[in-house]
Amino acid sequence: RKEVEQDPGPFNVPEGATVAFNCTYSNSASQSFFWYRQDCRKEPKLLMSVYSSGNEDGRFTAQLNRASQYISLLIRDSKLSDSATYLCVVISWAAGNKLTFGGGTRVLVKP
Amino acid sequence: NAGVTQTPKFQVLKTGQSMTLQCAQDMNHEYMSWYRQDPGMGLRLIHYSVGAGITDQGEVPNGYNVSRSTTEDFPLRLLSAAPSQTSVYFCASSAPAGSTYEQYFGPGTRLTVT
Repeated sequence: RKEVEQDPGPFNVPEGATVAFNCTYSNSASQSFFWYRQDCRKEPKLLMSVYSSGNEDGRFTAQLNRASQYISLLIRDSKLSDSATYLCVVISWAAGNKLTFGGGTRVLVKP
Repeated sequence: NAGVTQTPKFQVLKTGQSMTLQCAQDMNHEYMSWYRQDPGMGLRLIHYSVGAGITDQGEVPNGYNVSRSTTEDFPLRLLSAAPSQTSVYFCASSAPAGSTYEQYFGPGTRLTVT
C-alpha cells in the first residue's frame, strides 16, 4: 500500500459546480498536511496547509480526519482556471521531516 | 529574487552518459531536495540536504549523486544514464518555520535517456 494515495481522476466538473476529493495516508505519525497545485508541465506550488480544525481559503476548503487518516479538498464555484492536478503532501516529523507526495488528482473544469 | 532555478530545461542523453542537473536558490533556504516525477507516481524523493555539507538519501537514490558545498547550490549528478531515468526532475528548497513547510520548486528538467 502506498503511504499517500489519491484518486487520479480526472474529475470532470461543470463550471460553477463544487468538487471534492480525498487523500488517504497510512502513517499515523504524520503530523503536517498540505495541498499543492500543479499545472500541466509546470512545477507544483503550495495551495494551502491543512489544519486540524479545517480551514478555508476563498473557494477552497481543506479538512483533516485523523481518525480515518485522510485529508480532503473541496472547491466551490469551480472556475476554468481551477483545472489542474492537486497533490497532497504529508510530513512525518518523527521520520526526520520526511515529505511524501500523493500521485495527484486531476481536475478538469469545463464550460 | 529568482527563487529556485534549474538548468537545463530539457536534455536528451544516450544510455551510459553522465551529466549534472544544476539547481540554485537565492532564498537562503537550508533544506534542498531533488525529486523525480513519473506519470501516476507522484513526486519521489531522490536526495536531500539539510544544510551545506550535509546530504542524505531519499526514496530512490540509486544512480544519482549529490553534493552541497554551498547553501545556494545543490547539483544532481547522473552517473551512467539509463532509460529508467527518463523523467521530469524537480529541485525544491524550503526553510522550515514552525508548522509551515512550504516547498519552493524549480521549473523542472525534462530528461530523456535513449
